[in-house]
Amino acid sequence: GDSVTQMEGPVTLSEEAFLTINCTYTATGYPSLFWYVQYPGEGLQLLLKATKADDKGSNKGFEATYRKETTSFHLEKGSVQVSDSAVYFCALILMDSNYQLIWGAGTKLIIKP
Amino acid sequence: NAGVTQTPKFQVLKTGQSMTLQCAQDMNHEYMSWYRQDPGMGLRLIHYSVGAGITDQGEVPNGYNVSRSTTEDFPLRLLSAAPSQTSVYFCASRMGNQPQHFGDGTRLSIL
Repeated sequence: GDSVTQMEGPVTLSEEAFLTINCTYTATGYPSLFWYVQYPGEGLQLLLKATKADDKGSNKGFEATYRKETTSFHLEKGSVQVSDSAVYFCALILMDSNYQLIWGAGTKLIIKP
Repeated sequence: NAGVTQTPKFQVLKTGQSMTLQCAQDMNHEYMSWYRQDPGMGLRLIHYSVGAGITDQGEVPNGYNVSRSTTEDFPLRLLSAAPSQTSVYFCASRMGNQPQHFGDGTRLSIL
């Protein structure tokens, strides 16, 4: 079935390090892809999105490129800050199945000063 | 803009009690959903609605009821609270394939 797989956390990095959080998906149709972020004690917020192959979503220094050939949507940031510590969720919407939303399990990111 | 509003933010119940978690959105979104979030479990879909008068079960519906009498409101009812329902509950809404908007969550403890 359709699914989203994220790398397991927690991911622990030092401030100013390069970040990659892997996300791959399995989908029978043509999904739109999203990254959401959840800061401690808060709800989820949309971080970025991409709606078709080769689209690049970007926001707050984060980027992710929709790679249809590898069914991936990896999240990257060139230089992380302590304030980036949060849980990151990858998700997809399938337009072919009543817009069902499918979530990854989330990856906890810890940035140390 | 209010967005998605959940009440209450915190609640403590005794086993066997019932209660309703409220959710309202002011964006005229057709899709509304309830999730629970447990440590290490990500988000699990409880119930969802694709429009007023239409609801359906998600991944973990047992012990919960929903109704959608208006576009704006989507309350979640716990019929007889159990300790296994201790969790953080999120309501969300969206339009079609657009990004989902989340409420701030309700932190529920069942003793």
